[in-house]
Amino acid sequence: ENVLTQSPGTLSLSPGEGATLSCRASQSVSNNYLAWYQQKPGQAPRLLMYGASTRATGIPDRFSGSGSGTDFTLTISRLEPEDFAVYYCQHYGSSLWTFGQGTKVEIK
Amino acid sequence: EVQLLESGGGLVQPGGSLRLSCAGSGFSFRNHAMTWVRQAPGKGLDWVSGITDSGGSTYYADSVKDRFTISRDNSRSTLYLQMNSLGAEDTAFYYCAFSSAVSSRLYWGQGTLVTVSS
Repeated sequence: ENVLTQSPGTLSLSPGEGATLSCRASQSVSNNYLAWYQQKPGQAPRLLMYGASTRATGIPDRFSGSGSGTDFTLTISRLEPEDFAVYYCQHYGSSLWTFGQGTKVEIK
Repeated sequence: EVQLLESGGGLVQPGGSLRLSCAGSGFSFRNHAMTWVRQAPGKGLDWVSGITDSGGSTYYADSVKDRFTISRDNSRSTLYLQMNSLGAEDTAFYYCAFSSAVSSRLYWGQGTLVTVSS
């Protein structure tokens, strides 16, 4: 099982600031099968990135993903009010998917 | 357009059973491995079970092994999750999902809520 550890647990930022979220895997992620999701209260997870760096349909370009091997990053260049949410990373490169525990981006 | 539509959720008593279904359309269902993921209220996302495209191999999280059974009917483009011996810890939204064999893009259904309570 590829354990994903996200950091920090909570990020307190102001609108307009940049955000950097980290996801570290216990084993190398093959073919960069790493995804990022955004989730707001009462809503289903929304796919942001897949393949580590490919934005899903309709995702603004202020969101970007990078990384390979065991270290991955989701960057939000300038936080908009609607970006304050919980973010999850996911490894889906095998028959057993794993998720990080989430990073909450909250308004400072 | 790819669509995954879950059904079968609801309120069930502890110790009871429920079968979830996930109807797929807009893609070649028979050529894709499928997965169930759940999320308990206020908690994170948990992988539950997976099945290969042919249905020949199945995989389970330790928390549901020997209680849940994943299966599929490729002729109906439908994925199933038979859930037995349900407990309060199984209360969650259940989502079916898959990763495209061509693009690696992920697709999820809208989820179905399972509530285990007396």
